[in-house]
Amino acid sequence: TQLLEQSPQFLSIQEGENLTVYCNSSSVFSSLQWYRQEPGEGPVLLVTVVTGGEVKKLKRLTFQFGDARKDSSLHITAAQPGDTGLYLCAGPNFGNEKLTFGTGTRLTIIP
Amino acid sequence: DAGITQSPRHKVTETGTPVTLRCHQTENHRYMYWYRQDPGHGLRLIHYSYGVKDTDKGEVSDGYSVSRSKTEDFLLTLESATSSQTSVYFCAISVTGTGQPQHFGDGTRLSIL
Repeated sequence: TQLLEQSPQFLSIQEGENLTVYCNSSSVFSSLQWYRQEPGEGPVLLVTVVTGGEVKKLKRLTFQFGDARKDSSLHITAAQPGDTGLYLCAGPNFGNEKLTFGTGTRLTIIP
Repeated sequence: DAGITQSPRHKVTETGTPVTLRCHQTENHRYMYWYRQDPGHGLRLIHYSYGVKDTDKGEVSDGYSVSRSKTEDFLLTLESATSSQTSVYFCAISVTGTGQPQHFGDGTRLSIL
């Protein structure tokens, strides 16, 4: 099973600030997915990145897939309290295509 | 809303008792999954199904069994629950048919005392 490490594990910032969270692996992934999970709910898929170097934007969220397809980042501009949640990255394992999930970054935006 | 309903949402039971969790989807998606989520481990795949009566093991399948007799229902059974199976269980579906989940239910919080 290919491993995904997410950092930081916890992040607490003031509303309006910018932030970046990371998803790293020593293995190559054919794609990476980002989810956001709120307390008491299941993860919600935000985006899938497929091509090395790809950048996708979702309003104030910018997702980037590393050139070597071993890492990804999520940048949030002007964070808002509604961005609070657990951010998970996940990628399919070569061979069986089943998703491996990172342990997540728990983000808190303070009003 | 992908129309996934998990039941029950919460359950407390004792060690050694059988437990069955249900996942129901309102659409005829082929792939369904059961995950457990634990602090420090993220989401881990227990079992998945790629059609009626077609199931396979995930990375943490020991102590669990599944059944899928209808497209819309995927059941997860703990034959004899242990405290290590205390967790939050999520059902998921793939709407693209890629074999990877895109939509998750809201989870079942299971406590084994």
